[in-house]
Amino acid sequence: DAGITQSPRHKVTETGTPVTLRCHQTENHRYMYWYRQDPGHGLRLIHYSYGVKDTDKGEVSDGYSVSRSKTEDFLLTLESATSSQTSVYFCAISERGGQGDEQYFGPGTRLTVT
Amino acid sequence: AQSVTQLDSHVSVSEGTPVLLRCNYSSSYSPSLFWYVQHPNKGLQLLLKYTSAATLVKGINGFEAEFKKSETSFHLTKPSAHMSDAAEYFCVVSDRRTGNQFYFGTGTSLTVIP
Repeated sequence: DAGITQSPRHKVTETGTPVTLRCHQTENHRYMYWYRQDPGHGLRLIHYSYGVKDTDKGEVSDGYSVSRSKTEDFLLTLESATSSQTSVYFCAISERGGQGDEQYFGPGTRLTVT
Repeated sequence: AQSVTQLDSHVSVSEGTPVLLRCNYSSSYSPSLFWYVQHPNKGLQLLLKYTSAATLVKGINGFEAEFKKSETSFHLTKPSAHMSDAAEYFCVVSDRRTGNQFYFGTGTSLTVIP
């Protein structure tokens, strides 16, 4: 299995509080992604990174920010959590991005915003 | 723009009978196509991928998929279902125009009846 960990694995937080999720990889892959998974929607891209300090928005980026200061770490921050951000969040990595290269996924973080 | 349509949100088969999970894609460029499997409360695992080599792709656990450009399809099949195949399956597309991004279908839930 690819070396990808996510922390925390479960979190319950209150509306309006900031939340940071961490993705850590040991594969030295260039690309890292954050997705959210909701019933009936599959996985939707929030943000992705194509290198240290290089990030771009995905389909559902509103309310989220990311940072990548090291190759191995990609942080997802909810500045002020809302109930609509209750979801399962997956991190993924890829060596060459979407050009014929697959992604490897972390185990997921289940976030509940009350 | 890319899109992926999984034609069935739920499929039920009896153990030992064939499995067919359908996926259609739209892409203006030569696509890369993937199938992932997600078992309950787990991350996603790559089953197989197509990247412009052989149109019939063999994956893990006896699954295979055929890329049909004329039909813009990439259906997943398995000759004989096993109880352990019960899971959620996702079809994913990327191409050189999107470069770094992957687009997911909404998923097909496979139930295997003993």
